[in-house]
Amino acid sequence: EDKVVQSPLSLVVHEGDTVTLNCSYEVTNFRSLLWYKQEKKAPTFLFMLTSSGIEKKSGRLSSILDKKELFSILNITATQTGDSAVYLCAVPRGYAGNMLTFGGGTRLMVKP
Amino acid sequence: DGGITQSPKYLFRKEGQNVTLSCEQNLNHDAMYWYRQDPGQGLRLIYYSQIVNDFQKGDIAEGYSVSREKKESFPLTVTSAQKNPTAFYLCASSIPWARENTEAFFGQGTRLTVV
Repeated sequence: EDKVVQSPLSLVVHEGDTVTLNCSYEVTNFRSLLWYKQEKKAPTFLFMLTSSGIEKKSGRLSSILDKKELFSILNITATQTGDSAVYLCAVPRGYAGNMLTFGGGTRLMVKP
Repeated sequence: DGGITQSPKYLFRKEGQNVTLSCEQNLNHDAMYWYRQDPGQGLRLIYYSQIVNDFQKGDIAEGYSVSREKKESFPLTVTSAQKNPTAFYLCASSIPWARENTEAFFGQGTRLTVV
């Protein structure tokens, strides 16, 4: 059974701090790993990491994938209050489609 | 604008009643999904559909039913058999069922409360 575990469960930082969120996974057939940000309702897509794309960066956010050790990290530098959200990590199961197995999420709170 | 629309945003149900949650997408996606999210937890897959007139059970399908009569629509019925239906329900869709890696797009969700 596929499994995704995220840590820490929650995190409180101050604006300007750098945070690292962790995601470890066990899947039968690895195709990709996805990061989503969920502020109030709909998760919004951040990154997809695959065997051919193990490092992604967008502004202050970056993510890497370690396929050997089966984990991924999401880094946020110079955090802002708008980064406060739940960050979800997910892996698709099977050989096609987007039946996703999600981790429990990390709740990040950025204080002014 | 293209997207996924879920309705209603909030829904209250009495015990023993069936309710139907709507999900409509205009992204021309073949695949659609329903997830459930409980407080402080990640999402769990209820049902998914690869194509019109086809759907499969996910991890927690008991007490739920779906239909896929149109490509754009994938309604979820929460039946009285679902013992603990209070949760946040999210609908998602993605491009045609294929081996290529793509992300799923989510609707804004429906918060269901049993009173």
